[in-house]
Amino acid sequence: EVQLLESGGTLVQPGGSLRLSCAASGFTFSTYVMNWVRQAPGKGLEWVSLISGSGGSTHYADSVKGRFTISRDNTRNTLYLQMNSLRAEDTAVYYCAKTSGGGSYAYFDYWGQGTLVTVSS
Amino acid sequence: SFELTQPPSVSVSPGQTASITCSGDKLGNKYACWYQQKPGQSPVVVIYQDSKRPSGIPERFSGSNSGNTATLTISGTQTMDEADYYCQAWDSSTVLFGGGTKLTVL
Repeated sequence: EVQLLESGGTLVQPGGSLRLSCAASGFTFSTYVMNWVRQAPGKGLEWVSLISGSGGSTHYADSVKGRFTISRDNTRNTLYLQMNSLRAEDTAVYYCAKTSGGGSYAYFDYWGQGTLVTVSS
Repeated sequence: SFELTQPPSVSVSPGQTASITCSGDKLGNKYACWYQQKPGQSPVVVIYQDSKRPSGIPERFSGSNSGNTATLTISGTQTMDEADYYCQAWDSSTVLFGGGTKLTVL
């Protein structure tokens, strides 16, 4: 059974940093592109970032480019999101999501339960 | 930049057909998928690659994509289908979501 378990969400001050983790199990982690998707309170889904199976390729939404860094440890089956220079508008539930398929065929077939990040003084 | 536009809300009576649209420039040239999200829960894919249904998703869910519009159709809508629905597509190597549609079944 595929499981994705996020952790690390908490209250942080504007300008602060935080690292989120997503522990994966039930599939060959290193084979799949992984993503972070966030959802601000009462708002819609916003894709944040993706990373290839090897970790050699990453992409980011313009809203987080230069501030967030996605990475993975395939030996620990864990996905990370390092978030720096946090802003109030980064407040959201952050989901990790597994990608199925490749290229434009891809979709998110499994999602974690999410972890809440609150940026406030 | 590429954007996906959904109506904020759609209402349907139980047993009737609900249609939720997602519009984007030449969206038909891309693959669209749809996610269902109920309050307090994580999203679940209900349609991928325009019209394919994952295992476990009821046959009443179907999808199409042509021209500038992708459509999620729910036939014989049930009260359990009340949820937010999001379309999603890829633009180069980034992911786009529509703004979401709240489906009300009453």
